[in-house]
Amino acid sequence: ETGVTQTPRHLVMGMTNKKSLKCEQHLGHNAMYWYKQSAKKPLELMFVYNFKEQTENNSVPSRFSPECPNSSHLFLHLHTLQPEDSALYLCASSQDGLAGGYNEQFFGPGTRLTVL
Amino acid sequence: GENVEQHPSTLSVQEGDSAVIKCTYSDSASNYFPWYKQELGKRPQLIIDIRSNVGEKKDQRIAVTLNKTAKHFSLHITETQPEDSAVYFCAASKGGANNLFFGTGTRLTVIP
Repeated sequence: ETGVTQTPRHLVMGMTNKKSLKCEQHLGHNAMYWYKQSAKKPLELMFVYNFKEQTENNSVPSRFSPECPNSSHLFLHLHTLQPEDSALYLCASSQDGLAGGYNEQFFGPGTRLTVL
Repeated sequence: GENVEQHPSTLSVQEGDSAVIKCTYSDSASNYFPWYKQELGKRPQLIIDIRSNVGEKKDQRIAVTLNKTAKHFSLHITETQPEDSAVYFCAASKGGANNLFFGTGTRLTVIP
């Protein structure tokens, strides 16, 4: 599959579980993002990575832990989540924003997470 | 930080009519304003964007206007078609930066 892929597409977990979301981009981009999309709320930016380095962390609770081993892969490690963390988690990628310019973000299909 | 407000939250129009979605932003330093379309069950996709050095941009049936003084921008869709039905998100950023601040979305329904 081309573009941005995410696995799994659906995930149900208990509050004591540990799970990971995976994102992979095949576009040659250098920036990757995690967003949270909840009903009736704006898309919330969680983390930004440029060239594998985290450049933004928008006050995300520590129960969400990102990992970016290379410019093509991004993970979101989850542990001891709360029911209110249930949402669609979207990954996106773009050319890096560090050098300026206006870079379109390409989104993955998302992981629908349900925390019981 | 930036705060983007979007109205209306839902919009229904007859096929062939026009649709207008409006957004305001709070940070006068924002200079890049993209619009994303998210069809049901699909990922958001960029449909048009505008930078602060222009006041209007058009692409076929879609146009975006920007009023920097008032800090608002709008999406205009003319001759709407059923396939325009989706959720539309506006966003603002300071360009160069990766941070896009999104509005809450507008669910557009085009009635055949």
